[in-house]
Amino acid sequence: DAKTTQPNSMESNEEEPVHLPCNHSTISGTDYIHWYRQLPSQGPEYVIHGLTSNVNNRMASLAIAEDRKSSTLILHRATLRDAAVYYCILRDENDMRFGAGTRLTVKP
Amino acid sequence: DAGITQSPRHKVTETGTPVTLRCHQTENHRYMYWYRQDPGHGLRLIHYSYGVKDTDKGEVSDGYSVSRSKTEDFLLTLESATSSQTSVYFCAISESGGLVTEAFFGQGTRLTVV
Repeated sequence: DAKTTQPNSMESNEEEPVHLPCNHSTISGTDYIHWYRQLPSQGPEYVIHGLTSNVNNRMASLAIAEDRKSSTLILHRATLRDAAVYYCILRDENDMRFGAGTRLTVKP
Repeated sequence: DAGITQSPRHKVTETGTPVTLRCHQTENHRYMYWYRQDPGHGLRLIHYSYGVKDTDKGEVSDGYSVSRSKTEDFLLTLESATSSQTSVYFCAISESGGLVTEAFFGQGTRLTVV
């Protein structure tokens, strides 16, 4: 059973911000929220993760709702290289399971 | 880039033959995972390992077995390949239990069963 729910696809214009939502209403207190992305013909790559507080790194920001039942990955200025499938994952001690993800299209 | 290598990168095999895919890492990470990716399904976990000789099943483990006799190698075996096992297989490694650490993925193995 999928632990997370994401839209199938989203579109963005180049150099505009992108907000990718994820619902995880059954999240447990120890689950960390991880985001990965998969560029065409490549393996997934790590983007960001968090537990309760919002997080920032060089790639993106992660905004986590106060009740932790949803989160949003924020790409501050989308580029053509950001076109990929983005996966929101709840990681527990041993397991790492992916849902179908959101396919992001970036238009020039 | 994390030191993770999958071999072979491409393979065509006949139905009913055994196939072994290899994942090799140079990072000394404890956790290793095998996934398959099919159109419309995203990545699905087949098996994972949390140490030498310690493995467990994922969500689509039927028809697959794994072995990890040393830290650096995680083998995925299809005892008798079927056409439904045609897929792209990805290996991943993670330093610890994964709550706070990122996972690194290989480039994938494209397996075709004819």
